[in-house]
Amino acid sequence: GNSVTQMEGPVTLSEEAFLTINCTYTATGYPSLFWYVQYPGEGLQLLLKATKADDKGSNKGFEATYRKETTSFHLEKGSVQVSDSAVYFCALSGNTGFQKLVFGTGTRLLVSP
Amino acid sequence: DTGVSQDPRHKITKRGQNVTFRCDPISEHNRLYWYRQTLGQGPEFLTYFQNEAQLEKSRLLSDRFSAERPKGSFSTLEIQRTEQGDSAMYLCASRVTGATDTQYFGPGTRLTVL
Repeated sequence: GNSVTQMEGPVTLSEEAFLTINCTYTATGYPSLFWYVQYPGEGLQLLLKATKADDKGSNKGFEATYRKETTSFHLEKGSVQVSDSAVYFCALSGNTGFQKLVFGTGTRLLVSP
Repeated sequence: DTGVSQDPRHKITKRGQNVTFRCDPISEHNRLYWYRQTLGQGPEFLTYFQNEAQLEKSRLLSDRFSAERPKGSFSTLEIQRTEQGDSAMYLCASRVTGATDTQYFGPGTRLTVL
């Protein structure tokens, strides 16, 4: 079945550092890929998505590129802020059927001033 | 704000009691999903509705769980005879029909079973 593997956290960075959170997936067909973010005490918010190979999703300075050859969708940001501290979830959904989301276990990011 | 809403936000109950959660999706969204998230884990799919029809249920959804979506609007998730292992965040998401449309999540209902 479909699955997502994320790097374990927490990831601890200083403000303005470069961020990478690795995500790889296993899926049949051509899934859509997502990054969701969960701030403390809040629900999941879509951060960015990509729906086909080589697409780059971007939002709020975050980027991720859909790499079919390496089955990866790594999240990057050039300069993190304290306000980026949150839990980040990589997820996929098939493009047929019920299109439920399959999530990774999440990666906690802690950014210090 | 016309996002997905869930009620209650928090529920504390004693083992063996029944609980019911409500989800109000975004009004034009015909697809509705329930997920469960335990501490330190990603959300796991529970069940899916298209309009009023429940079209898929996960094996995680034991016989003690039931979900409805009357008239294809709001949805309810009921857990009967709660167990401590049911303690989790229950998340609802909705979307419109389309190959790549996004699921929008509500704030969740945190259930604690004592």
